[in-house]
Amino acid sequence: EAGVAQSPRYKIIEKRQSVAFWCNPISGHATLYWYQQILGQGPKLLIQFQNNGVVDDSQLPKDRFSAERLKGVDSTLKIQPAKLEDSAVYLCASSSLPYEQYFGPGTRLTVT
Amino acid sequence: DQQVKQNSPSLSVQEGRISILNCDYTNSMFDYFLWYKKYPAEGPTFLISISSIKDKNEDGRFTVFLNKSAKHLSLHIVPSQPGDSAVYFCAITNFGNEKLTFGTGTRLTIIP
Repeated sequence: EAGVAQSPRYKIIEKRQSVAFWCNPISGHATLYWYQQILGQGPKLLIQFQNNGVVDDSQLPKDRFSAERLKGVDSTLKIQPAKLEDSAVYLCASSSLPYEQYFGPGTRLTVT
Repeated sequence: DQQVKQNSPSLSVQEGRISILNCDYTNSMFDYFLWYKKYPAEGPTFLISISSIKDKNEDGRFTVFLNKSAKHLSLHIVPSQPGDSAVYFCAITNFGNEKLTFGTGTRLTIIP
């Protein structure tokens, strides 16, 4: 079974630029999550999708972050414009059962 | 508002000995607890979980203990092996709610 795929793995941008991350979940997994992990902290949930609908986006900074999950499969997370404090690893996870979240390798974003 | 705390950022243990990782939480309403393991440049992987109706759950070398009155859980690894060197995150949630709240992580190093 293929795992959660994410791209790119690394991205360096200047502040005020925009960036997009892509996630392909495990086939058949209805639930998809985006997390932000800042250095020295645990992953923090940004948004949760059930199929292509948003379940929870309470911690998503909606003035600059947006996410979509087209056709209930792949998802993209966008930041526009980026700030220095957005430097983090962005993790995508998917699940078919509660609590059994499978994580991708993450995208390390550096904002300079 | 830190709902989940892992007060030891790092821990070093001799190979073959017991590793004990600790996690404290503040809200007694949480009723499902998990441990994730993370290697560098990879996403977290699920390790073991426990519900609030139990005080112990064992899986091979890994045992999780839950002390509800103290709002404390711990992960015991025995015997510790070099491949156990990783960052360990505890996560908490409510049964029926898939949102996980992660601790800050403990970096475990097993010394050969």
